[in-house]
Amino acid sequence: EAQVTQNPRYLITVTGKKLTVTCSQNMNHEYMSWYRQDPGLGLRQIYYSMNVEVTDKGDVPEGYKVSRKEKRNFPLILESPSPNQTSLYFCASSRDRVGGYTFGSGTRLTVV
Amino acid sequence: AQKITQTQPGMFVQEKEAVTLDCTYDTSDQSYGLFWYKQPSSGEMIFLIYQGSYDEQNATEGRYSLNFQKARKSANLVISASQLGDSAMYFCAMREGARSNYQLIWGAGTKLIIKP
Repeated sequence: EAQVTQNPRYLITVTGKKLTVTCSQNMNHEYMSWYRQDPGLGLRQIYYSMNVEVTDKGDVPEGYKVSRKEKRNFPLILESPSPNQTSLYFCASSRDRVGGYTFGSGTRLTVV
Repeated sequence: AQKITQTQPGMFVQEKEAVTLDCTYDTSDQSYGLFWYKQPSSGEMIFLIYQGSYDEQNATEGRYSLNFQKARKSANLVISASQLGDSAMYFCAMREGARSNYQLIWGAGTKLIIKP
């Protein structure tokens, strides 16, 4: 089954404790992206990647890092999480410019 | 300025009725794509339908159709014969052709509740 897999689905952590949210797609898509969703603000792009070793900042990259060492994986790293990073996070992938975007199931992160 | 506007924060609709969810967009690009996604209470984001700016026909996918009016810059989602399972948040999104980062620009969403 073609899918984007995110883990974990839910995470509660403490301020300053490094964490990684994993994202993997099995569709051989070149493009991958991370979004965060906050009430009243909609979805905002954090980082994106056009291909292996090619990543760039989206609209809200502060406090996040990403890497794209393999085509299928695009982990999101929070080096020192803060409470304002409490949000619902989505990973998405797309075959190309005109294709639809497939989203992962989301990761609900709470930073206390 | 808002690029994607969804003017209906919430809607109540009787089961089996048709529903129209409004979406207007703002872009100066000639090439762009419009998407609708459904987000149930479980949180996942489900792709529903896509319309390209050069597509001459309105997109349809099962009970979903997109009423694309290019001159008015509107891309309303129509759900025919609504079902209880259609209760969810619905988001309109746009990808502009001139942007190189494939970013989707999102509306604020419409919460649809189907009444039995």
